[in-house]
Amino acid sequence: AQSVSQHNHHVILSEAASLELGCNYSYGGTVNLFWYVQYPGQHLQLLLKYFSGDPLVKGIKGFEAEFIKSKFSFNLRKPSVQWSDTAEYFCAVRFTGGGNKLTFGTGTQLKVEL
Amino acid sequence: KAGVTQTPRYLIKTRGQQVTLSCSPISGHRSVSWYQQTPGQGLQFLFEYFSETQRNKGNFPGRFSGRQFSNSRSEMNVSTLELGDSALYLCASSPQTSSYEQYFGPGTRLTVT
Repeated sequence: AQSVSQHNHHVILSEAASLELGCNYSYGGTVNLFWYVQYPGQHLQLLLKYFSGDPLVKGIKGFEAEFIKSKFSFNLRKPSVQWSDTAEYFCAVRFTGGGNKLTFGTGTQLKVEL
Repeated sequence: KAGVTQTPRYLIKTRGQQVTLSCSPISGHRSVSWYQQTPGQGLQFLFEYFSETQRNKGNFPGRFSGRQFSNSRSEMNVSTLELGDSALYLCASSPQTSSYEQYFGPGTRLTVT
């Protein structure tokens, strides 16, 4: 079955620390990759996406992600986190032939401490 | 453009009842997808509608159904509610059925007692 896994369920960082959240997916075919963020009390927002081309994609608020096809990975990074980055982060994959169906990872709860 | 809107935002129902949730996509978007979000199972795909046709369906029982109208607005219905149906139900819209990102609404928080 097609699946998405996020390795870190809870991450606590101090402000200015660097962030890397892991995301791996099963399946070796064509995929579209997404990172969504859910701030407390708010709806899911798209951080960044990868459809094709340059495997290093930049998103909003200083986030970036790198698609490594050979590792089936799409890790999210930010060089220096801020307190306002406290949120839940979801990796999502659209597998070929699935229409608009997104398969989500279990999410990573990030807490940034002052 | 206005975002995806969902009504109602909060709902409390009793076990055995049925419920209908509504979603209005972003203007011009023709694809609407529904997801269930729970602490235990995370975000799970329910179904996708495009031009009034169901295009994809997730692994949910037949008690979960949906439809899409000619103006792209969508409804989902859950019959014979169970306690485990308590969740946040999210709607997402997209211009087409693939190759585009999806925009999520704020969700409907359903509590079954």
